Amino acid sequence: NAGVIQTPRHKVTGKGQEATLWCEPISGHSAVFWYRQTIVQGLEFLTYFRNQAPIDDSGMPKERFSAQMPNQSHSTLKIQSTQPQDSAVYLCASSLETANTEVFFGKGTRLTVV
Amino acid sequence: QQKVQQSPESLIVPEGGMASLNCTSSDRNVDYFWWYRQHSGKSPKMLMSIFSNGEKEEGRFTVHLNKASLHTSLHIRDSQPSDSALYLCAASGYNQGKLIFGQGTKLSIKP
Repeated sequence: NAGVIQTPRHKVTGKGQEATLWCEPISGHSAVFWYRQTIVQGLEFLTYFRNQAPIDDSGMPKERFSAQMPNQSHSTLKIQSTQPQDSAVYLCASSLETANTEVFFGKGTRLTVV
Repeated sequence: QQKVQQSPESLIVPEGGMASLNCTSSDRNVDYFWWYRQHSGKSPKMLMSIFSNGEKEEGRFTVHLNKASLHTSLHIRDSQPSDSALYLCAASGYNQGKLIFGQGTKLSIKP
């Protein structure tokens, strides 16, 4: 079990460019989550999918962020027109199901917008 | 407004001592509490979970939960330098998958 796999581990983009982050959940896990972590804001929930269907995107900045899960083995988080304030570690996580089961985190993608 | 509040923000404990961390949710719809530990440069890993009133012990770690006040606490006895990390408390609701995290407590164990 390789755990949750995120690629790339580091990404540097210029202001205004697009960034796409990739996540492969643990095989057999039906719930996939995206979080963002910064020193100032801490660990913030962005969005999650259950059985590939979007369930809750209440944490997503509405205009430039989007997430998809085209199949059970991967999810993407896309940020259009990146801004310096988007710089953060983006963490993908998965669990067997929602509610009271352990959530496993990937190692994260560190996004730096210059 | 942060729905999960943790205290203290940081804590220094001598090696072999007891560390006590606190967490409260302001959301009455919460049913489950989680404690995650994040070492520097690493991803968060679940330490313990608690869903019912009372106490749960696993080795050197003990978690308490008071559901009426939505307060949980984590106690680490015989603290070791390897316990130095950011401790994150999270809460989730019944049939709600997302975890809402507090800002964390940075624990440092001094040899």
